[in-house]
Amino acid sequence: DTAVSQTPKYLVTQMGNDKSIKCEQNLGHDTMYWYKQDSKKFLKIMFSYNNKELIINETVPNRFSPKSPDKAHLNLHINSLELGDSAVYFCASSQMTDKAFFGQGTRLTVV
Amino acid sequence: KQEVTQIPAALSVPEGENLVLNCSFTDSAIYNLQWFRQDPGKGLTSLLLIQSSQREQTSGRLNASLDKSSGRSTLYIAASQPGDSATYLCAVPLTGANNLFFGTGTRLTVIP
Repeated sequence: DTAVSQTPKYLVTQMGNDKSIKCEQNLGHDTMYWYKQDSKKFLKIMFSYNNKELIINETVPNRFSPKSPDKAHLNLHINSLELGDSAVYFCASSQMTDKAFFGQGTRLTVV
Repeated sequence: KQEVTQIPAALSVPEGENLVLNCSFTDSAIYNLQWFRQDPGKGLTSLLLIQSSQREQTSGRLNASLDKSSGRSTLYIAASQPGDSATYLCAVPLTGANNLFFGTGTRLTVIP
């Protein structure tokens, strides 16, 4: 029973398209996150969200937006995709400042 | 501004050796530090979390230490095995939040 699951695992799309990546956690955690891992394997926080607060990394373009229908889900919407958006996107969750649990990642390729 | 550096970037050891991975951070106002492993094409698995009030944490063959004042943490792996081959990442929360700031990682290869 996967703790943090994200879909799809692979996503290939053309420039200019809009796409979404879904994330669900069954751990009952209060906070969920999106991270981006670039081609050099460096991981960087994009967003964190709990039912009270959305924290956005100031470097994230506003074409990226998180949407949380409920506490167990945090989806990532990306508008007007660009070549530079190609990366692996990871969803994660944690309870307060406890250990973070990560999903398997979504490899996004923009062509 | 927080910077997290891991040395070495890559490490190759024969099976059975004990090894140490290093992590240094510039802003010591952290309340915990986590060590993760990442296998190729996979997500991250949390190995150990050390609270700022702790000096070390142990899990099986893994032992992580934390020295906040010097801005350093080490991950000690005893009796390394080929299955330990992975990239190891340390991460600290950004000030005032639980958003993790990751180090550059150490790619470990354990040779049978």
